[in-house]
Order: sequence, then structure tokens, then C-alpha cells
Amino acid sequence: SAVISQKPSRDICQRGTSLTIQCQVDSQVTMMFWYRQQPGQSLTLIATANQGSEATYESGFVIDKFPISRPNLTFSTLTVSNMSPEDSSIYLCSVMTDSNQPQHFGDGTRLSIL
Amino acid sequence: EDQVTQSPEALRLQEGESSSLNCSYTVSGLRGLFWYRQDPGKGPEFLFTLYSAGEEKEKERLKATLTKKESFLHITAPKPEDSATYLCAVITGGFKTIFGAGTRLFVKA
Repeated sequence: SAVISQKPSRDICQRGTSLTIQCQVDSQVTMMFWYRQQPGQSLTLIATANQGSEATYESGFVIDKFPISRPNLTFSTLTVSNMSPEDSSIYLCSVMTDSNQPQHFGDGTRLSIL
Repeated sequence: EDQVTQSPEALRLQEGESSSLNCSYTVSGLRGLFWYRQDPGKGPEFLFTLYSAGEEKEKERLKATLTKKESFLHITAPKPEDSATYLCAVITGGFKTIFGAGTRLFVKA
């Protein structure tokens, strides 16, 4: 399966600032996703990162708050903008090679906002 | 509405005490069901894929089974290193992936 690297692995940020999280895959993949996971909770899908076009956001998530880029089939970024303490969470990147196949995940970015 | 429910929320076992985790689903057309293991500070690690009722998959102390309404993850003679959160996910007929809330497993030596 694909090897997925996320950077940074963790960060502590000030309220009102923005942070960009990178996701690099060692092979070309069709689908890439961004999730949020609150401590002790399951995964919440933020958006599907589409190569060469705007991301598809889930209900409750907007582009102004979580802009996503996907310039090619191996790389994507998620920016968490104008952060508040409520954005403290783990952000996970995942990939899927086919619509009937399981997703594979990076190790996530643990974000804390003071 | 498509839904995935895992039970119990948490399970505490003694080493060697076998048990099962449950994943029940209500979806419009199941295309696949997946089990993951997640350790603290890590992303979910893929374990098994099940596509049709009656299918079974096995790996070391873990065995996953699937019926038309639910899946079980059986853990035989667990060890402390099996302690983790186990997540279930389904792909619906509309190609949407839905994750359950997970079962936190604690195995005591």
C-alpha cells in the first residue's frame, strides 16, 4: 500500500494564525481526503482533495476556513485558517486507489491552539 | 440514512480472554466493509476488507466476519499489544465511506 507522509506531525499555534499541513504520497493516487479527529472520537471527513480543481467540502466545512490544494496526484495541502481553540484536533490525510478499496492514512498532525 | 454503529465503546479484557467487537450497519447498498486498528498518536492502520456476507478474513489473533447486517472482529487469546482502538468503515452504494465511532480495547497482562 502507499506510504503517506504528513508534516508537521504536531504544532502549537496562536489564536488567529493559520497553519498549512502537507501530505505526500510515494505513488500516484486517484483520491485524497482530509479528516479531522477530536480526541477519543471517530473520523470526520472535511473534504475530498481533487487534482486540478476545487476540493469538495462536507457539510459544516468551508473553503475559506480550510483551503485545500492538490497540484498533482501525489501531494496535497490543508490550511487551517484563523485558528481558534475549537480547531485543536488531529488532522489526517488519507488516500484511496479505487472507489471500492480501503483508505490508507498518514499518521496525522496533532494541532493545539492556545 | 446510512449509519455505522460499533459496540461496545470500550472493552477491557484479561490477557488470553477471547471476545468479539461488533460493527452493525444500515446503508444503501454495501460495497465493502473495512476494519482498522488505531494506536494513540497514529493514523488508522488497515486490517481487513470484507465484500460479501459469509466472507471471513483472518490475521494472527484477529478474525473478521460479515453478515448482511453486521460484522464481527473476533480476538482470540489477546495480548497487551492488541490494545488499541478498532474502527469499522463501510463504502455505501453511493461510494461514500462512513466510519464508526470505534471500540477502545484494553488488554491487561
